[in-house]
This record gives sequence, structure tokens and C-alpha cells, in this order.
Amino acid sequence: GENVEQHPSTLSVQEGDSAVIKCTYSDSASNYFPWYKQELGKGPQLIIDIRSNVGEKKDQRIAVTLNKTAKHFSLHITETQPEDSAVYFCAASYSSASKIIFGSGTRLSIRP
Amino acid sequence: DTAVSQTPKYLVTQMGNDKSIKCEQNLGHDTMYWYKQDSKKFLKIMFSYNNKELIINETVPNRFSPKSPDKAHLNLHINSLELGDSAVYFCASSQDRLLTYEQYFGPGTRLTVT
Repeated sequence: GENVEQHPSTLSVQEGDSAVIKCTYSDSASNYFPWYKQELGKGPQLIIDIRSNVGEKKDQRIAVTLNKTAKHFSLHITETQPEDSAVYFCAASYSSASKIIFGSGTRLSIRP
Repeated sequence: DTAVSQTPKYLVTQMGNDKSIKCEQNLGHDTMYWYKQDSKKFLKIMFSYNNKELIINETVPNRFSPKSPDKAHLNLHINSLELGDSAVYFCASSQDRLLTYEQYFGPGTRLTVT
């Protein structure tokens, strides 16, 4: 079955700097890769996703890249702000899969 | 209006008790899920229902029984609670059963078993 590994588990960056979170997946059939942000005391919320026919996607300060050959995908946050502090999850699935598999999460802290 | 709501938000109970968590979504989605998040924040799917039909049943103890009275509601009943059941339980919904659509999560129910 699918396995998603996520690194690092914790990340601390200075406000204004960039943050990068990396994930790898095992099932070559996976074609959908969402990223969720979980703020303290709340449920995860989708912030960006990418499908396998695209190599990169941007939404303002957030970008995701996908390397299907290497089975890697990454989240890039530029010009980090205090409100970016949260736990971030990557995930992988394909349309006929029985379940979506989440990575283990990255706790991102933004230092003022 | 809250898209996915859960009640209660906090649940503290003793070992051996039976408890239920309720979930409702007003998004008109066909598919609903239950996830368990442990103390290390690991998020794992437990069950999924599509139009009241069970489609995913992970290796969850049969003390956990989901029930979907209609496609807008998915409740979770837990019998004979154990210490290891302590976790945050999230309900989620998505447009349909294809796992390439956004999942909308509820605020979570923090279950503490003493």
C-alpha cells in the first residue's frame, strides 16, 4: 500500500524567510497530492494541491512542486509570517484508491 | 454557517463506558470520513461512508461502530472505552468517493479516557 514520509518533523524559521517541507511517496499510481494546514485546536484545512500532470503550482506565497520520477513533492512557503505557524501535512492518493494517506506532519514555527 | 460540525468538542469518560460522537455536514457532499489523530499528530483514516454506504473500514477494533442515518450525518459509537482510545477524532466530508477531491474537516472531538 501507499506510504508517505514527511520531513522535517519540526521546522523553525525567522519571519520573512522561506520554509520548505518535503515528502516522498511509494505508490507510483498516486496522482493527487494535497497539503493541509492544521492550526492549534482546529481541523486540517486544504491549502494547496497538485495533480500528477503538473510539475509546479503556486498560490501567492505558497508553492508545491512534484517530481513523479523520484516520487518527491515539496511545499514552499515564502516570506513567512506569524500566522503560518501550524502543523502541515502532505498526503497522497489516487482516484480509485481506498484511502488517502497522510504524512506524519511538520510543526512549523515562525520566529519574530 | 459551519460546514462540518462535530459534537461534543470535548469528551472525558472512564474506561469501560460507551460514548458517541456526532457529525453533520451542510455542504451537500456524498462522502464522509472518520479520522483518529493521536498524541503525535499522526492522522489515520478509520471509516468512510458514501451515500450511507460503508466504503472504507480500516483495521479498527469492532468496539468502534459508525452509523450514517443519511448522507449529511455520520456518527461514531465507541463501546467499552479503553485508555488507548484517547485521541482527537475528526469527521470530514468530500464531494464524492474519488479520493482526489478536497476533504473538509470538522473541528475535532478530544476524547480522554481515564
